[in-house]
Amino acid sequence: AQKVTQAQTEISVVEKEDVTLDCVYETRDTTYYLFWYKQPPSGELVFLIRRNSFDEQNEISGRYSWNFQKSTSSFNFTITASQVVDSAVYFCALSEAQTGANNLFFGTGTRLTVIP
Amino acid sequence: DVKVTQSSRYLVKRTGEKVFLECVQDMDHENMFWYRQDPGLGLRLIYFSYDVKMKEKGDIPEGYSVSREKKERFSLILESASTNQTSMYLCASALAGALRDTQYFGPGTRLTVL
Repeated sequence: AQKVTQAQTEISVVEKEDVTLDCVYETRDTTYYLFWYKQPPSGELVFLIRRNSFDEQNEISGRYSWNFQKSTSSFNFTITASQVVDSAVYFCALSEAQTGANNLFFGTGTRLTVIP
Repeated sequence: DVKVTQSSRYLVKRTGEKVFLECVQDMDHENMFWYRQDPGLGLRLIYFSYDVKMKEKGDIPEGYSVSREKKERFSLILESASTNQTSMYLCASALAGALRDTQYFGPGTRLTVL
């Protein structure tokens, strides 16, 4: 079973629009961690955020914000006033405390294209 | 800043060749990982290492081996490359302990096997 589902394969928005990338996860652990990574065309995955399962506070960092809802097992990522530099593939990932093996389960990614 | 480097950005090899992909990190991280990335499949873990000379199989270890002789270096070896190993290979590293799950990635090596 897929532990992390990113149902949106590709999204295109016009510059300055807001966009939300969805992430739904599945775990039986009570302690787990959720992540978002950005992969620009250069290929390197850039770490954006880590959130533990006990902290449901939403987080905002500049134009980026994350909405963590345990009730729906979702960890969605919103980019406000999108820019062309936001064009990338975005991955959501899950790490379970029980795994103990430093394993990150990745979703299949969402390709975001911001059109100027 | 964490820096993870990979020996090549692009590599073209022939079927049957032995291929070495090198990864070096400069942050004294205990844990290192090799993934492959394919369209529609996301990232899949090949092998990881939590200490020098230690290795663990990931989800898709078949056809690959690894070597970790020094803490900062983790090598992925394709003993006899095949066309189905054409892929993007990503190396990552992470601390041990409380932040062990935050992995930092290198730029990737796009390998083509002809």
